[in-house]
Amino acid sequence: KAGVTQTPRYLIKTRGQQVTLSCSPISGHRSVSWYQQTPGQGLQFLFEYFSETQRNKGNFPGRFSGRQFSNSRSEMNVSTLELGDSALYLCASSLSTGGNEKLFFGSGTQLSVL
Amino acid sequence: EDQVTQSPEALRLQEGESSSLNCSYTVSGLRGLFWYRQDPGKGPEFLFTLYSAGEEKEKERLKATLTKKESFLHITAPKPEDSATYLCAATQGGSEKLVFGKGTKLTVNP
Repeated sequence: KAGVTQTPRYLIKTRGQQVTLSCSPISGHRSVSWYQQTPGQGLQFLFEYFSETQRNKGNFPGRFSGRQFSNSRSEMNVSTLELGDSALYLCASSLSTGGNEKLFFGSGTQLSVL
Repeated sequence: EDQVTQSPEALRLQEGESSSLNCSYTVSGLRGLFWYRQDPGKGPEFLFTLYSAGEEKEKERLKATLTKKESFLHITAPKPEDSATYLCAATQGGSEKLVFGKGTKLTVNP
C-alpha cells in the first residue's frame, strides 16, 4: 500500500512569491492535515481537511491556505512568501477525523525562502 | 494555553544503556497522548496512543506510560537503530488539533 506522497520534495523561492504544495494521502484516507516544522518551533498545526471541508485551522496568517479535492488529494498554498516561511511542510493522512486518529505522514516538502 | 513539553532536548546513550524520555502536558481533558518517531529527512512515524492514566503500551524495546500530567517513553537496551527524534503530541477534549512537543533527539552509540 503506497504511503503519503508529497511533491515537490524541495523548493527554493524568493520573498514575495507564492508556492503550492501537493499531498496525495493513503488510498481510502479521507482526512488530510498539514503541519509546519521548524527547528525553533517544532511541529505546528496548519489545517485539516475532511471530505473537501476544512475542519480545523491553526494560528497561521491568511497567507496560508489549502484545499482538498474529491479524490482526497490536498494542496496548500502560501502567498507573499516571507523569510520566516522557510520550513519543512508535512502532510499527514488518516482514515477519519476527530483528533484521536493515528496519522500517517509524508516525507515533507522542504521550502527555502531567499 | 495547551502545551506539550519534552525533556531532555537531546540524549546520548551507549548501546544497551536503558533510559526514559519525558513528555509533560498541560492539556485540559486529555483525549489522547501520542508518541511518534522521526528519522532525518522523513516524516514522523506513529508509535503509540495512550488514552488514560495508568495505561501502558509496548513495542519491541519501547514502552510508553501515562500519568495524569506526563508520559514516559522507556527505552530498554537500546540499539544504534533506535537513534531518532521522538515526538510527543496530545489532543484536548473538545478539540481535534494535535499539539506537538519539540521532541527529544536520541543518539545511541555502538
